[in-house]
Amino acid sequence: DAEITQSPRHKITETGRQVTLACHQTWNHNNMFWYRQDLGHGLRLIHYSYGVQDTNKGEVSDGYSVSRSNTEDLPLTLESAASSQTSVYFCASSGTVGGNYGYTFGSGTRLTVV
Amino acid sequence: AQSVTQLGSHVSVSEGALVLLRCNYSSSVPPYLFWYVQYPNQGLQLLLKYTTGATLVKGINGFEAEFKKSETSFHLTKPSAHMSDAAEYFCAVNDNNDMRFGAGTRLTVKP
Repeated sequence: DAEITQSPRHKITETGRQVTLACHQTWNHNNMFWYRQDLGHGLRLIHYSYGVQDTNKGEVSDGYSVSRSNTEDLPLTLESAASSQTSVYFCASSGTVGGNYGYTFGSGTRLTVV
Repeated sequence: AQSVTQLGSHVSVSEGALVLLRCNYSSSVPPYLFWYVQYPNQGLQLLLKYTTGATLVKGINGFEAEFKKSETSFHLTKPSAHMSDAAEYFCAVNDNNDMRFGAGTRLTVKP
């Protein structure tokens, strides 16, 4: 069965370190997204990609970057981790141009920056 | 840009009672509307969606929602709550792959 997997599930890192969160999907979806989930804020979009070599900034992109070298993977990098980036991170994908069939989500990565 | 407001961050109902979770949206174009459910330590799962056509849409686990354009609402209902419905519920609006989520409503079901 097709799936979208995130790794690691939990990560503790120190302030100032570079951290990369992995997202891998086997749906063959062109569209991939990274969100962060914080209490009281719902999910907020960090970065997204509509295909290989395409990346775009979302509403909370400062301090984060992504790269898309193939269809399956969209890793999220925190350039220099800050305590404000402690959050739960979700990767999602969509196969339709307008996303009108909804997104498929991974199980999330809980990141703690100490 | 479109946005979503979910009224009530916490809703508590008794088992067997009606579930009503409220969602209002703003969008400059005809919206695509969604409800997602999140169980503890899991990702979001699509519950139901409205794209075009019938304004009353049915989803999984007995949930349904009605799109009311005049009220800019998309409230989620279930006639009889079950213990397994306890979860976080998110309303979302999508305009051309820009999915915006509400802050979420945590549903508690009391025995």
